[in-house]
Amino acid sequence: DGGITQSPKYLFRKEGQNVTLSCEQNLNHDAMYWYRQDPGQGLRLIYYSQIVNDFQKGDIAEGYSVSREKKESFPLTVTSAQKNPTAFYLCGTGTFVFGTGELFFGEGSRLTVL
Amino acid sequence: GNSVTQMEGPVTLSEEAFLTINCTYTATGYPSLFWYVQYPGEGLQLLLKATKADDKGSNKGFEATYRKETTSFHLEKGSVQVSDSAVYFCALYEMDSSYKLIFGSGTRLLVRP
Repeated sequence: DGGITQSPKYLFRKEGQNVTLSCEQNLNHDAMYWYRQDPGQGLRLIYYSQIVNDFQKGDIAEGYSVSREKKESFPLTVTSAQKNPTAFYLCGTGTFVFGTGELFFGEGSRLTVL
Repeated sequence: GNSVTQMEGPVTLSEEAFLTINCTYTATGYPSLFWYVQYPGEGLQLLLKATKADDKGSNKGFEATYRKETTSFHLEKGSVQVSDSAVYFCALYEMDSSYKLIFGSGTRLLVRP
């Protein structure tokens, strides 16, 4: 089944703990993105990667880290340095070089800090 | 820099009413424009797109026309249904070195029976 898989769908974390959100895709897209969404607000870009072993900071990268060791995978770690991590996290993929710029999204992961 | 501005919500309509959600953009070149929809608790789905001036994107009864002269991409639907209740995001992509999609803040639509 083609698409983007985010896991877990729901995650609870205690303060001071690091957590990793998974994003896997089998669309053969080069570019992958992490966005954060807060209640009633729009999407803010955390990190993005256009190619394996390379990634760039987005608008709100502080307190987050990523890796891109495989084309299919772009995990996001929410570190203890992120002061307000409770949010809905969306992973997107795209093929910008020859495409029109549209992104495809997973179903999201909701992180709650207890 | 590039940006997208959407009308603030929530927009509350009765079933079968006409819908308009305004979206304007700022860009230095010729961006592609998109509308995404987010149903409660879900990720974003592409609703429609337009890649050049005067293009009209359409899907599921929704339409939007790329107006370069007014830098707008307003979303319209002639007769909304309760199932259209969702958050709608306008977005733009301009091919430059950053390969990023820029989103508006989203507009919540609530359709009452």
